[in-house]
Amino acid sequence: ETGVTQTPRHLVMGMTNKKSLKCEQHLGHNAMYWYKQSAKKPLELMFVYNFKEQTENNSVPSRFSPECPNSSHLFLHLHTLQPEDSALYLCASSQDPGGLGSPLHFGNGTRLTVT
Amino acid sequence: AQKVTQAQTEISVVEKEDVTLDCVYETRDTTYYLFWYKQPPSGELVFLIRRNSFDEQNEISGRYSWNFQKSTSSFNFTITASQVVDSAVYFCALSAPFFGNEKLTFGTGTRLTIIP
Repeated sequence: ETGVTQTPRHLVMGMTNKKSLKCEQHLGHNAMYWYKQSAKKPLELMFVYNFKEQTENNSVPSRFSPECPNSSHLFLHLHTLQPEDSALYLCASSQDPGGLGSPLHFGNGTRLTVT
Repeated sequence: AQKVTQAQTEISVVEKEDVTLDCVYETRDTTYYLFWYKQPPSGELVFLIRRNSFDEQNEISGRYSWNFQKSTSSFNFTITASQVVDSAVYFCALSAPFFGNEKLTFGTGTRLTIIP
């Protein structure tokens, strides 16, 4: 198993659908993250979980709902998305909470298209 | 506030040429970390290197080298004798405590294309 696994790799959904992105890390890390990567924009931090507790919500719209049932799994629940939400969604993990000095380990991402 | 600037949006070089990717950062903190990540076409960002603000020694790892200069707030990345497999988007990033909130700030990335 690779370090951080994301499913699905690609997702096409309508604006009224409900779907979930899944992330699993096999590195024994304590912190997990969701990032959004849009074309020609810096990576945007969405959510941070440290020891299963959410410590960061970077002004993300409520149509994105994270869930972290344990330190190895992270979900992003999606509902009533907008076309501008189409992007690559990246999951990452790090050994130490807070991120200072701890490299992030990323998954392959989920390419989301909202129609 | 933290900021990372990668002024080069896209670079193309012929295989075996050397190429340098620029990174300039801004932070008010005296303690911070700088990173480089590589994003190949497969999508995942791969961690390449981390340097802390107290260590200005240049580092070499195979064909990769990094030049950290606090005087110019730069952390440049050089690939020597480039290969097609080096084609990717490269991100520079900064991590520094800011009002106790330790975030990783990414630059916009440089797309490097190595022409065979």
